[in-house]
Amino acid sequence: RKEVEQDPGPFNVPEGATVAFNCTYSNSASQSFFWYRQDCRKEPKLLMSVYSSGNEDGRFTAQLNRASQYISLLIRDSKLSDSATYLCVVNPRGGYNKLIFGAGTRLAVHP
Amino acid sequence: GAVVSQHPSWVICKSGTSVKIECRSLDFQATTMFWYRQFPKQSLMLMATSNEGSKATYEQGVEKDKFLINHASLTLSTLTVTSAHPEDSSFYICSAKGREVRGEQFFGPGTRLTVL
Repeated sequence: RKEVEQDPGPFNVPEGATVAFNCTYSNSASQSFFWYRQDCRKEPKLLMSVYSSGNEDGRFTAQLNRASQYISLLIRDSKLSDSATYLCVVNPRGGYNKLIFGAGTRLAVHP
Repeated sequence: GAVVSQHPSWVICKSGTSVKIECRSLDFQATTMFWYRQFPKQSLMLMATSNEGSKATYEQGVEKDKFLINHASLTLSTLTVTSAHPEDSSFYICSAKGREVRGEQFFGPGTRLTVL
């Protein structure tokens, strides 16, 4: 079983749509969780950290369910510029030291 | 913000040759640097972690004699792929973090290696 699993997609949605991505992780002792965004042939960029209480950053909302070992990302009012691959990332020990990446979920937003 | 550069951005080489990739932190001191590899449609896989002035720690399954890592200064780490073969063709990405224990990793733009 992979340490971090994501639905590869692609998710094809129209502009303005709300889309949700899910991710599961296998190590119940994992401490830190993140969503990164990766554009084609580019490096990953931190989108947001994920906190136990859930957190929001503009149109993006992240949720963590430790009991189910499940992380989600919700994007509201999708923009064309949101088209990218979204990577679920887990750190078993906390902080940013050793990051375990999921393979990513691809999002394509169309006009 | 923190900037990390990589050089070269892409390289094509013949099988059997060695390739060196540089990773530099431009505006902060990187006490720890990480090297990742990403094959198409797969996740980034951590290859090794290096702390300035000490030997790199390699992940299981990564050959340390094939992937030589040097982190000689607080702003530079190098990855040398020795005797490269076509199966080493991949996207190599470095990241760097500063002294803060829980500090964020900042990623370089990556190097695309193609071995013919």
